[in-house]
Amino acid sequence: QSVLTQPPSASGTPGQRVTISCSGSSSNIGINTVNWYQQLPGTGPKLLIYSNNQRPSGVPDRFSGSKSGTSASLAISGLQSEDEADYYCAAWDDSLNGVIFGGGTKLTVL
Amino acid sequence: EVQLVESGGGLGQPGGSLRLSCAASGFTFSNYFMNWVRQAPGKGLEWVSYISSSTSNIYYADSVKGRFTISRDNAKNSLYLQMNSLRDEDTAVYYCARGTGASYSYYYMDVWGKGTTVTVSS
Repeated sequence: QSVLTQPPSASGTPGQRVTISCSGSSSNIGINTVNWYQQLPGTGPKLLIYSNNQRPSGVPDRFSGSKSGTSASLAISGLQSEDEADYYCAAWDDSLNGVIFGGGTKLTVL
Repeated sequence: EVQLVESGGGLGQPGGSLRLSCAASGFTFSNYFMNWVRQAPGKGLEWVSYISSSTSNIYYADSVKGRFTISRDNAKNSLYLQMNSLRDEDTAVYYCARGTGASYSYYYMDVWGKGTTVTVSS
């Protein structure tokens, strides 16, 4: 059972804006930064957002992250077919002394 | 090019052992924290273990504590995971991932390998 809670699925049509939520607690998101990873079908994970809202070089600005209290969100604007993937939030957990992931959200582009 | 390449996966028997390796290239390996993350078939990501750059700090997920051992050889630019007392539930793709951040509060994994598959079955 994941310590971070994400919706199992999300969907949108091309051009739409979608958001994916991630809920945690005071030992993880409440005191540490949130990161997001994208996993395209059949591939390994890729860092998408780090430190709540920072994009690594090469990640389009259509992807944005935010955090408030013990929750975080990933927003994807101008949805494209190539955005169809699994998305995971993650954060360091001070109680577990390790990284915890959300259960993942499968994004479908209709 | 920054790269991580895992190897050592395969078929392991319940109660048996396997040793995974991760070869790093394109960056100063000794400057970075390293991790193992796994993904069971059809499931999400699960962090397995962390090792600091100097090996002074090592952490494990509860699910593998006492059975798995993470280590590194900075002279060989390599990360390892010794997996003992294997269980069916250890079946997964195992990823090597580079970690970075000013502190644990800001910790994230910025480079990932393609993974190596471990299957535990009799």
